[in-house]
Amino acid sequence: EPEVTQTPSHQVTQMGQEVILRCVPISNHLYFYWYRQILGQKVEFLVSFYNNEISEKSEIFDDQFSVERPDGSNFTLKIRSTKLEDSAMYFCASRTPGHQETQYFGPGTRLLVL
Amino acid sequence: AQKVTQAQTEISVVEKEDVTLDCVYETRDTTYYLFWYKQPPSGELVFLIRRNSFDEQNEISGRYSWNFQKSTSSFNFTITASQVVDSAVYFCALSEAGYNQGGKLIFGQGTELSVKP
Repeated sequence: EPEVTQTPSHQVTQMGQEVILRCVPISNHLYFYWYRQILGQKVEFLVSFYNNEISEKSEIFDDQFSVERPDGSNFTLKIRSTKLEDSAMYFCASRTPGHQETQYFGPGTRLLVL
Repeated sequence: AQKVTQAQTEISVVEKEDVTLDCVYETRDTTYYLFWYKQPPSGELVFLIRRNSFDEQNEISGRYSWNFQKSTSSFNFTITASQVVDSAVYFCALSEAGYNQGGKLIFGQGTELSVKP
């Protein structure tokens, strides 16, 4: 069964460093998402991406964040200058077109900013 | 504004008990979708069910059942004869279908279910 994959599974970084989180969505999916979950809290939407552009973003997704689909398979989230409060689990998700379609999530990347 | 409320933060039951997880949502859209996801201790998010706003039929899948009531804006989830493997955090989520929306999911706070042997 096809699945969303994410790398790395864990990342530790120093405050102020740039990090890139990588995702490989399911191959026939066209909508891509990033969410984050601060430890013990709910899952929060960051950004949605379709047709090579951002379709919606949340207030959390400020200028420090960017997304890219550099090739036909990868979808990346870059945090330019990490802050302590960026420590969280980051989930990538994807779905086929049609609002009724289900988003399938990757296993997540646990980011720890020291 | 869209909102999902899961008022039960934690529930603890003994194996074989039935348990219901509550979910109440708010939306101005007439067309929307509701979801339940399971997050086991390993951390991944596992899709359980999707429901369309125009389909109020209840659904049963094995020991799982879902009760969708538009009149009370609720989408409750019942596990019958709970098992230790059901221990997880369960999230209810809402997606609106409005024009120019990317279909983002709005999650509730989650309910942590602990099933003890």
